[in-house]
Amino acid sequence: AQRVTQPEKLLSVFKGAPVELKCNYSYSGSPELFWYVQYSRQRLQLLLRHISRESIKGFTADLNKGETSFHLKKPFAQEEDSAMYYCALSNSGGYQKVTFGTGTKLQVIP
Amino acid sequence: EADIYQTPRYLVIGTGKKITLECSQTMGHDKMYWYQQDPGMELHLIHYSYGVNSTEKGDLSSESTVSRIRTEHFPLTLESARPSHTSQYLCASGTQGLWTGELFFGEGSRLTVL
Repeated sequence: AQRVTQPEKLLSVFKGAPVELKCNYSYSGSPELFWYVQYSRQRLQLLLRHISRESIKGFTADLNKGETSFHLKKPFAQEEDSAMYYCALSNSGGYQKVTFGTGTKLQVIP
Repeated sequence: EADIYQTPRYLVIGTGKKITLECSQTMGHDKMYWYQQDPGMELHLIHYSYGVNSTEKGDLSSESTVSRIRTEHFPLTLESARPSHTSQYLCASGTQGLWTGELFFGEGSRLTVL
């Protein structure tokens, strides 16, 4: 079974402070991991994927297979980063089920 | 414009009614999903499909059913709605291939059962 854990329901940081949203996963195969974001009154949308090793809106995430983690980081938080963030895992099998974590609400305080 | 559409956006109904939440996508995607998003904002996979005539149950047990007769259409049906079904339902679609976990979401259907 595949599982995604986000231990923090709410994370409050001051503007300009570093941000780290935690994500741990369990999956027996080779997973694909993603971060999704949902801004207020907007659709849930993809933020970044581990396979691309990209930086989007200043956010990065590194897959650590040893610790089974995929934490999302940003060195300096901005007010517009306030949103709900979900970590997601897609299995590598044919059915490609996508499982989401419980989400972390990021609140950036001006 | 390629997109994913959900109707209705909001629905308030009485207990025992049958309802169908519609989801259509014009992106030509093979995979489609239904998620239930509860008030605490957790997302639970309730159904998914990887092509026409294929449907699978997700992680969260649900009394709803789905069908996939056409690639672009993935409706979700509740035969007899109950207050416990009150929630937001999100439909998503994705493509086979490299970015298997990249999903595109609709705006959601917010269901209230009285």
